[in-house]
Amino acid sequence: EADIYQTPRYLVIGTGKKITLECSQTMGHDKMYWYQQDPGMELHLIHYSYGVNSTEKGDLSSESTVSRIRTEHFPLTLESARPSHTSQYLCASIGLGAGYNEQFFGPGTRLTVL
Amino acid sequence: AQSVTQLGSHVSVSEGALVLLRCNYSSSVPPYLFWYVQYPNQGLQLLLKYTSAATLVKGINGFEAEFKKSETSFHLTKPSAHMSDAAEYFCAVSGSGAGSYQLTFGKGTKLSVIP
Repeated sequence: EADIYQTPRYLVIGTGKKITLECSQTMGHDKMYWYQQDPGMELHLIHYSYGVNSTEKGDLSSESTVSRIRTEHFPLTLESARPSHTSQYLCASIGLGAGYNEQFFGPGTRLTVL
Repeated sequence: AQSVTQLGSHVSVSEGALVLLRCNYSSSVPPYLFWYVQYPNQGLQLLLKYTSAATLVKGINGFEAEFKKSETSFHLTKPSAHMSDAAEYFCAVSGSGAGSYQLTFGKGTKLSVIP
């Protein structure tokens, strides 16, 4: 079944730890996105990729980094987590030829940094 | 540049009552418009989308929305609210031109349904 997966779903870690949030999709989509979502707030785009070896920063400045080595995989890394990174992170993708820019979303990772 | 304004961060309706969630947009190009729903601790699920084919768009779970260019609005409605409709709803806009692959989201409206 075609889908978009995020792991872990919940993560509680201490300050200074390095973490990687995983996002994978089985739909063969070329465009992928990372959003940061705080409670009661809109989604803010922090990174996007339009294909392998292509990554760009989004509208919201973020200390995280991303990579796109394989079409299906778009991991997000925080080298040194801080309490200000506490948030929900959502991954999304759009298919080539899907039209209309409809984005499919993963279930999200809720990150808490102590 | 694009923007989305959702009027009312929190809307409460009685079960069986009309649901109306408001969305106004601004876009420098003909827009594509979307409504997404988010249940607690989950990602966003597409409810419906406007892609210039028809101004009245029907979506899943009995929701529909009407595109009104003169009012730059795309309000979401459902004739009769159900308890399962309690969730957060996001309106989003993208451009319709080539390369317009990013969505701009509103701040969301949390819908509560009172039994």
